[in-house]
Amino acid sequence: EIVLTQSPVTLSLSPGERAILSCRASQSVSGFLAWYQQKPGQPPRLLIYDVFKRATGIPARFSGSGSGTDFTLTISSLEPEDFAVYYCQQRYNWPLTFGGGTKVEIK
Amino acid sequence: EVQLLESGGGLVQPGGSLRLSCAASGFPFSSYAMSWFRQVAGKGLEWVSAISDTDSRYYTDSVRGRFTISRDSSKNTLYLQMDSLRAEDTAVYYCVKGEYSGVRGWFDPWGQGTLVTVSS
Repeated sequence: EIVLTQSPVTLSLSPGERAILSCRASQSVSGFLAWYQQKPGQPPRLLIYDVFKRATGIPARFSGSGSGTDFTLTISSLEPEDFAVYYCQQRYNWPLTFGGGTKVEIK
Repeated sequence: EVQLLESGGGLVQPGGSLRLSCAASGFPFSSYAMSWFRQVAGKGLEWVSAISDTDSRYYTDSVRGRFTISRDSSKNTLYLQMDSLRAEDTAVYYCVKGEYSGVRGWFDPWGQGTLVTVSS
């Protein structure tokens, strides 16, 4: 099973600041990595897939990068609606696995 | 617009059974893979099972042999039969649409979820 480790666990920032979230895999997942956003009481929503491709309707302030085992989600300038929990997920191998999540909270 | 409506959750005793349903609309259901994910309250996400358009089925190890995923394209409905339930199966269960017919794509969007509680 591929283990995904996200850091930091919590990120305290102000609106307008840049957020950088990290996801490290226990082995290479090639380009098969995605990021999801989840707000309280809501299901997750796909933001980024295949490392850097934005899902339909996702604003350009969200970007993904990385390769192999190290990946990054960057939110260039935080909007109030971006404060949420973010999960990375791999589909390189079964079982599909998720990272433990990063909570982006208002400072 | 894709809509996924889960039902069938509830309180069940350890060792009991439950069948979850997911009514799908807004897309050609028979042409897409589908999947179940779950989330323990306040915790992270876990993939449970997936099924392709041709009924190829995949399970995470902790549920293999106890859970069965199936689909009825005549009813546009996805199912998850859960037997021999354990306390650790307590979670919100989400029905999720696949990116395409096979199970090797991404899964999105997600339904609103149905809560399963296994407790005596």
